[in-house]
Amino acid sequence: GENVEQHPSTLSVQEGDSAVIKCTYSDSASNYFPWYKQELGKGPQLIIDIRSNVGEKKDQRIAVTLNKTAKHFSLHITETQPEDSAVYFCAARRQGGSEKLVFGKGTKLTVNP
Amino acid sequence: GAGVSQTPSNKVTEKGKYVELRCDPISGHTALYWYRQSLGQGPEFLIYFQGTGAADDSGLPNDRFFAVRPEGSVSTLKIQRTERGDSAVYLCASSVDGSLGYTFGSGTRLTVV
Repeated sequence: GENVEQHPSTLSVQEGDSAVIKCTYSDSASNYFPWYKQELGKGPQLIIDIRSNVGEKKDQRIAVTLNKTAKHFSLHITETQPEDSAVYFCAARRQGGSEKLVFGKGTKLTVNP
Repeated sequence: GAGVSQTPSNKVTEKGKYVELRCDPISGHTALYWYRQSLGQGPEFLIYFQGTGAADDSGLPNDRFFAVRPEGSVSTLKIQRTERGDSAVYLCASSVDGSLGYTFGSGTRLTVV
């Protein structure tokens, strides 16, 4: 089955710096890659997603890139702010399977003021 | 409602007891998912409903776990003979038709003592 690896497990940056989180997946049939942000005591919140027919997607300070050949995708946050501090999860979904997502183990991002 | 609602938010039960966890999805969402999240881990898929039927229950760990969605809206996750290893946050999510991003609820934190 699908396996998603996520790195780093923790990341600390200064306010205003950029943050990059990377994920790799194992199933070449995966075609949908969302990113979720989870704050303490809350459920994961979808922040951006990308489908396998595009290589990059941007939404204000957040961007995601996908390399299907290498089977990896990354989340880029620019001009980080303290409110970006949270746990971020990447996930992958297999084309033609059920709609289940396979998640990475998460990255705890801390943005220091 | 405006979001996915899960009740109770916290549940403490004794080993061996039976528990029911409830999920109210966003109105009109036909797809509903249950995930389990252990401390420091990403969500793990349990079961996916499309309408009233379980389209994929491959993530249910054993026959002590069962879920229903009799009218295609509210879903109940049922756990029999609870074990300490069942302690986790149980997350419910819904989406319009399974092809778009999920919206998660805040989860039910289950503690088996």
